[in-house]
Amino acid sequence: GESVGLHLPTLSVQEGDNSIINCAYSNSASDYFIWYKQESGKGPQFIIDIRSNMDKRQGQRVTVLLNKTVKHLSLQIAATQPGDSAVYFCAEIPYSGGGADGLTFGKGTHLIIQP
Amino acid sequence: DTEVTQTPKHLVMGMTNKKSLKCEQHMGHRAMYWYKQKAKKPPELMFVYSYEKLSINESVPSRFSPECPNSSLLNLHLHALQPEDSALYLCASARGANVLTFGAGSRLTVL
Repeated sequence: GESVGLHLPTLSVQEGDNSIINCAYSNSASDYFIWYKQESGKGPQFIIDIRSNMDKRQGQRVTVLLNKTVKHLSLQIAATQPGDSAVYFCAEIPYSGGGADGLTFGKGTHLIIQP
Repeated sequence: DTEVTQTPKHLVMGMTNKKSLKCEQHMGHRAMYWYKQKAKKPPELMFVYSYEKLSINESVPSRFSPECPNSSLLNLHLHALQPEDSALYLCASARGANVLTFGAGSRLTVL
């Protein structure tokens, strides 16, 4: 079936390095993509989003890239800090005419920041 | 106020108990959601309420019964649960087809 998935379950990087978390999606009708961060014992927290009519969007220390040709989404985190340690989920919203259909989450990548 | 508040944070119940999870938001969001999350897995959608009406039920067993008393509140009534129902239950809200804001979750353990 159609799904949103991730290539790597765990990613370990040195503090201060840049990290890239990848996500593949299969629903070509998906209109809107969101990256969430979930720390242990907490709910998912919004990081950054991107619409299907964009290729790139930047936030503070984070950049999301969307490649619709290969249905690939990535989250780049610059100069990682210990507080970046968490599970990162990509999520998609198919175009639904503005209805509240909820998100479909990918499997998640556990980002570990090594001191 | 940009929060979704869930209570209780932790709940332990037996298989014959009846309990409820509660969720509250005051952001004026008209869509509210219940998700279930097992350990090391992504959240899975259970129910969607839009303008206080149930719009999506993802084939959830009837031992889970959602309720939306008003636009700010969402409840999940639990009855005759099974140990495999133990999970983190997340509530979220959104303004239409937009970013969902999640609560911290209610950690449920069924004995």
